Amino acid sequence: AQKITQTQPGMFVQEKEAVTLDCTYDTSDPSYGLFWYKQPSSGEMIFLIYQGSYDQQNATEGRYSLNFQKARKSANLVISASQLGDSAMYFCAMREHNAGGTSYGKLTFGQGTILTVHP
Amino acid sequence: DTEVTQTPKHLVMGMTNKKSLKCEQHMGHRAMYWYKQKAKKPPELMFVYSYEKLSINESVPSRFSPECPNSSLLNLHLHALQPEDSALYLCASSQDRTSGSNEQYFGPGTRLTVT
Repeated sequence: AQKITQTQPGMFVQEKEAVTLDCTYDTSDPSYGLFWYKQPSSGEMIFLIYQGSYDQQNATEGRYSLNFQKARKSANLVISASQLGDSAMYFCAMREHNAGGTSYGKLTFGQGTILTVHP
Repeated sequence: DTEVTQTPKHLVMGMTNKKSLKCEQHMGHRAMYWYKQKAKKPPELMFVYSYEKLSINESVPSRFSPECPNSSLLNLHLHALQPEDSALYLCASSQDRTSGSNEQYFGPGTRLTVT
């Protein structure tokens, strides 16, 4: 079963508008972390934001915020005031803190969402 | 400074060549990772080094051989590759494998083409 699901292969947004990128996850581990990464066409994966499963507040980093709904197992990324430079592939990822064996410490990625910002 | 560097940026090699990819970080991180990424797909984990010891090998073919000479450096030695090994190879590092948020910081990658 997919542990991380990103259902939007592509999204379009107008410059200066807000956009939400969806991510749902599946785990039975009570302790886990959720990450969002941005990958421009240049290839580098850029860490954006982190949410721990026990964090009471939704994470925010500048224009990025994570809408964490634990009961729904969703961790959507909200980008406010989109800029042309936000056009990139976005990956949601999870690390299960109690995974054993070779999964220990491993990041599991979703399939990604390509975001295009229009001027 | 959250920088991971990788060399070379691009590499073209024949199927009989031997080459190496290099990765370096100076953040004091004790976990380092190699990922392979095909176009428009998520990165696939290949190897994890923790405190300079190989801790995860995701059943990677032996034509890929990782090496961690010290806590700042990670190499990936390539030999007798196949055209399907053409991909973006990403290196990453984190504080260690498991603690806290432990985000992984990625390098810019090496675009490998096998001819």
